[in-house]
Amino acid sequence: KAGVTQTPRYLIKTRGQQVTLSCSPISGHRSVSWYQQTPGQGLQFLFEYFSETQRNKGNFPGRFSGRQFSNSRSEMNVSTLELGDSALYLCASSLEGQYDEKLFFGSGTQLSVL
Amino acid sequence: QKEVEQDPGPLSVPEGAIVSLNCTYSNSAFQYFMWYRQYSRKGPELLMYTYSSGNKEDGRFTAQVDKSSKYISLFIRDSQPSDSATYLCAVNFNDMRFGAGTRLTVKP
Repeated sequence: KAGVTQTPRYLIKTRGQQVTLSCSPISGHRSVSWYQQTPGQGLQFLFEYFSETQRNKGNFPGRFSGRQFSNSRSEMNVSTLELGDSALYLCASSLEGQYDEKLFFGSGTQLSVL
Repeated sequence: QKEVEQDPGPLSVPEGAIVSLNCTYSNSAFQYFMWYRQYSRKGPELLMYTYSSGNKEDGRFTAQVDKSSKYISLFIRDSQPSDSATYLCAVNFNDMRFGAGTRLTVKP
């Protein structure tokens, strides 16, 4: 069974640009969650999508958005990039989402904002 | 106060040592307690999970939860160099909250 796939693995952008990250969950998983990981703040929850609906949202500005498609694949978008957005962005899939303790993570997209 | 507090370490031990990793949490509503392991340049992987107070054992790993003290622990027996990674505790109610992670190095 294929794991969670995130693309691209690495990304370099400049301030003010926007970026779209992609996540393909494990087959059969309907929930996709996104997390931001930085050395200073650790893993922080961005949002969760379940069956194409955003079910939960963390404390991030509106520049961070996402969506989920009918095949459960998900994209995350960050507009007007800031230097502080440099981080590892992790996607996790699960069967039941917020009521499921078993999250399966991808390897992440390392975003550097210059 | 953070909802989940975890000593970031780093922690360095010799091969074969018993490792103890600890977290505290603030909200008694948390229902699920997990430990994830993250190798360098990889996403976290679920190591152990439990719902209740007490111990849960899986091979060389033992997860311990004390709900009355809001304290969770992970013990690694006979630690191996391959255990070198960052260990993150996590708690769940409506969404997953992670500790800062403890970086562990097991030296041969």
